[in-house]
Amino acid sequence: DAGVTQSPTHLIKTRGQQVTLRCSPISGHKSVSWYQQVLGQGPQFIFQYYEKEERGRGNFPDRFSARQFPNYSSELNVNALLLGDSALYLCASSLYVGQTFDGQFFGPGTRLTVL
Amino acid sequence: AQKITQTQPGMFVQEKEAVTLDCTYDTSDPSYGLFWYKQPSSGEMIFLIYQGSYDQQNATEGRYSLNFQKARKSANLVISASQLGDSAMYFCAMRNSGGSNYKLTFGKGTLLTVNP
Repeated sequence: DAGVTQSPTHLIKTRGQQVTLRCSPISGHKSVSWYQQVLGQGPQFIFQYYEKEERGRGNFPDRFSARQFPNYSSELNVNALLLGDSALYLCASSLYVGQTFDGQFFGPGTRLTVL
Repeated sequence: AQKITQTQPGMFVQEKEAVTLDCTYDTSDPSYGLFWYKQPSSGEMIFLIYQGSYDQQNATEGRYSLNFQKARKSANLVISASQLGDSAMYFCAMRNSGGSNYKLTFGKGTLLTVNP
């Protein structure tokens, strides 16, 4: 079975632009989470969606938004890009939600560079 | 608020030897889960091992074992018989069962280098 897929792999944008990142979860998984990983740091939680509803949001500005589609794939949108948005964006899918063992499986990430 | 601390920015180990990566955590929630992930230079986070706060025994998965000391709030990862392919970043993470159970909280990671 295919794992979590993300597109694109790499992306270069300039300040002020908008970007859309895409994620397809593992087949059968209904929950998708997004994380931002700045160089030299651990991933920081951005959003979790389950059954197309937002279940949680991290400490990120309103420039960050996301949605989940009926097929459980997800998009992360970032508006008015800043240099500090340069990071690896990781998508994770999980079968369960709301349990301590919520085995999140990560995709390969999208590396965003903002110039 | 939950917090994960990994105090070793980098570790070196000889091939075939064992290595311990440290992780301490802070939470007021009695029910939580602890995770270890491996991140090679390619960027993908690979799930290694899980320990629940109520699990009586330490978790093991092949060459990986988790030394869970609940009273000390530590969850160290032990890798036995290190291999060159084990060279990577290693992250400790936690999920609570409370109101913020939707997210994993990660530490800053430890860069492990396995020398031949």
